[in-house]
Amino acid sequence: EDQVTQSPEALRLQEGESSSLNCSYTVSGLRGLFWYRQDPGKGPEFLFTLYSAGEEKEKERLKATLTKKESFLHITAPKPEDSATYLCAVRAHGSGNTGKLIFGQGTTLQVKP
Amino acid sequence: GAGVSQSPSNKVTEKGKDVELRCDPISGHTALYWYRQSLGQGLEFLIYFQGNSAPDKSGLPSDRFSAERTGGSVSTLTIQRTQQEDSAVYLCASSPLGRTDTQYFGPGTRLTVL
Repeated sequence: EDQVTQSPEALRLQEGESSSLNCSYTVSGLRGLFWYRQDPGKGPEFLFTLYSAGEEKEKERLKATLTKKESFLHITAPKPEDSATYLCAVRAHGSGNTGKLIFGQGTTLQVKP
Repeated sequence: GAGVSQSPSNKVTEKGKDVELRCDPISGHTALYWYRQSLGQGLEFLIYFQGNSAPDKSGLPSDRFSAERTGGSVSTLTIQRTQQEDSAVYLCASSPLGRTDTQYFGPGTRLTVL
C-alpha cells in the first residue's frame, strides 16, 4: 500500500534556528513528490515538485531534497512568517493518468521571534 | 487572477440530512479534484475530473458520496444522509491541462455534522 509518513508532527524553532522536516514514503513507483504549505483556515499552497533521487529545489529559505526513500524540507534561518503546516504528498504509478496525490499528516512548524 | 473558490465556507448540518458543497475552479483549468481533510489526518483523495473523461471515483468512501461537474467547470460534491464521521474540511483543487502535477487548492468547506 502506498504510504507517506511525516516527522516530526510538530516543531518549534527560534527565529534563525535552522532545521529539517522529514517525509518518508513507500510507493509502487514514484511519479513525483510534492511539498505544500498550509496556513490555518486556508487550502494548501504548492511549494515544490521533485521527480528523481538527488534532485533539489530551492525557494527563499526553503530547500527540498529527495532520495529513494525520503524527502527533506530544509528551513534555513526561519522567520515567524514561515510558521505553517508543511504537507508532503506523492503521486504513484498506480494513480494512472490522474493527478491523485497521497498526503502525509503534515508537520506543524512554529517559529518564535 | 481569481483562485479556486468554494462555498459555503462553513456548513453545519444534522445527522441524516443531505448537503451540497460547491467548487469553482480557476478559469480554464481542465482538471478538478476533491479531497477531504479530517482532524489529525492527512488529506484524503475523493474524486478527480478531467475534461470530458470519465471521473476517477476511487476515493469516494461510500455510495452516500457523489460528485458532478457541469460544463467542465463548476463541481458539486453531494453527501447524502450525513453521518458524524463525515465532519471534515472538504478541499477542492484544479490544474491546467497537461499540468496535473501542480494543483491549486481552494480554501475548503468546513462541514460539521451534529
